[in-house]
Amino acid sequence: DVKVTQSSRYLVKRTGEKVFLECVQDMDHENMFWYRQDPGLGLRLIYFSYDVKMKEKGDIPEGYSVSREKKERFSLILESASTNQTSMYLCASTWTGGYGYTFGSGTRLTVV
Amino acid sequence: AQSVTQPDIHITVSEGASLELRCNYSYGATPYLFWYVQSPGQGLQLLLKYFSGDTLVQGIKGFEAEFKRSQSSFNLRKPSVHWSDAAEYFCAVGAGGGADGLTFGKGTHLIIQP
Repeated sequence: DVKVTQSSRYLVKRTGEKVFLECVQDMDHENMFWYRQDPGLGLRLIYFSYDVKMKEKGDIPEGYSVSREKKERFSLILESASTNQTSMYLCASTWTGGYGYTFGSGTRLTVV
Repeated sequence: AQSVTQPDIHITVSEGASLELRCNYSYGATPYLFWYVQSPGQGLQLLLKYFSGDTLVQGIKGFEAEFKRSQSSFNLRKPSVHWSDAAEYFCAVGAGGGADGLTFGKGTHLIIQP
């Protein structure tokens, strides 16, 4: 089975900290995605990447950046964490032309 | 822009009863449609997907969904629910190719009564 692994299940960070959320997939997928999930709002796309070093803004990119230096790894970066970024963050991957999206188990981030 | 509406925030169903979760979409071209399930503390698991062809799609765990173009709907059904079906259900729409991500509805929380 394809696995998408998010390095942390729970994180607590302080306001103003720089935060890195890591995601690794093991099936050579070209496309990777970061979503945030909030109660009553569903999942919203933050950033996605269709190739190494390529990135595209999703629907809510403000306050975030991403890095994809290797095909299997896609990092979400909160340059200066704020309390309104407290949320569940989900990473996903798929191959181009297919819709076999696989999601990680999520990272629940709390910014205090 | 594409969008997905799940009109029911919560649904309560008795164990053994039938289930229908509603999903309406807005999309300018032929949509790619999905239903995902999320158990507490878990990621999303794909239940089923529709790309083309037969408008009645079978998925895992006994779920099915019917695509109705005229109603812009993709409702999820199950003839008899089990207590383990209690979860959050998300409908999603996407464009061809898979590279641009999916647009999700806000979810429906399913509660199963004994």
